[in-house]
Amino acid sequence: EPEVTQTPSHQVTQMGQEVILRCVPISNHLYFYWYRQILGQKVEFLVSFYNNEISEKSEIFDDQFSVERPDGSNFTLKIRSTKLEDSAMYFCASGSGGETQYFGPGTRLLVL
Amino acid sequence: AQSVTQPDIHITVSEGASLELRCNYSYGATPYLFWYVQSPGQGLQLLLKYFSGDTLVQGIKGFEAEFKRSQSSFNLRKPSVHWSDAAEYFCAVGVPNTGKLIFGQGTTLQVKP
Repeated sequence: EPEVTQTPSHQVTQMGQEVILRCVPISNHLYFYWYRQILGQKVEFLVSFYNNEISEKSEIFDDQFSVERPDGSNFTLKIRSTKLEDSAMYFCASGSGGETQYFGPGTRLLVL
Repeated sequence: AQSVTQPDIHITVSEGASLELRCNYSYGATPYLFWYVQSPGQGLQLLLKYFSGDTLVQGIKGFEAEFKRSQSSFNLRKPSVHWSDAAEYFCAVGVPNTGKLIFGQGTTLQVKP
């Protein structure tokens, strides 16, 4: 069964550094998403992406964040200058357009 | 604004007992509703979904959920819990045409032998 994969599974970085989180969505999916879950809090929507552009973003997704689909298989989330409060589990998801989203295992980001 | 409430943060049931996890939502129109499960170290796995039609939906692993519009609820049930069902369960509402899922806080299920 096809799955969404994410790398790395864990990332530790220093405050102010740039990080790139990588996702490989399910191959025939066209819609891509990022969510995050700060420890002990709800899973929160960050951004949705379709047809090479952002279709929806939350207020969390400020200028420090960007997404890209650099090739036919990867979908990345970049945080330009990480803050302590960016420490969270980041989930990638993909869908074929029927509202159902399939999630990856997540990347746990720790900002020191 | 749309929101999802899972009133029970933690539930413990005995193996073989029945299970009901509560979910209440706030949404102006008929929502798209989902239940996801997250085992330790794993991603969010889709258990079941409701878009329209029959209000009782069947999912994987023997789970079912019932949409009750009058109560704004979408409770998850399983008649007989297995030890492997111990995990965290998330209810979510989908906002149509945005791709946005709004999640509840999650309910952690512990299964006693």
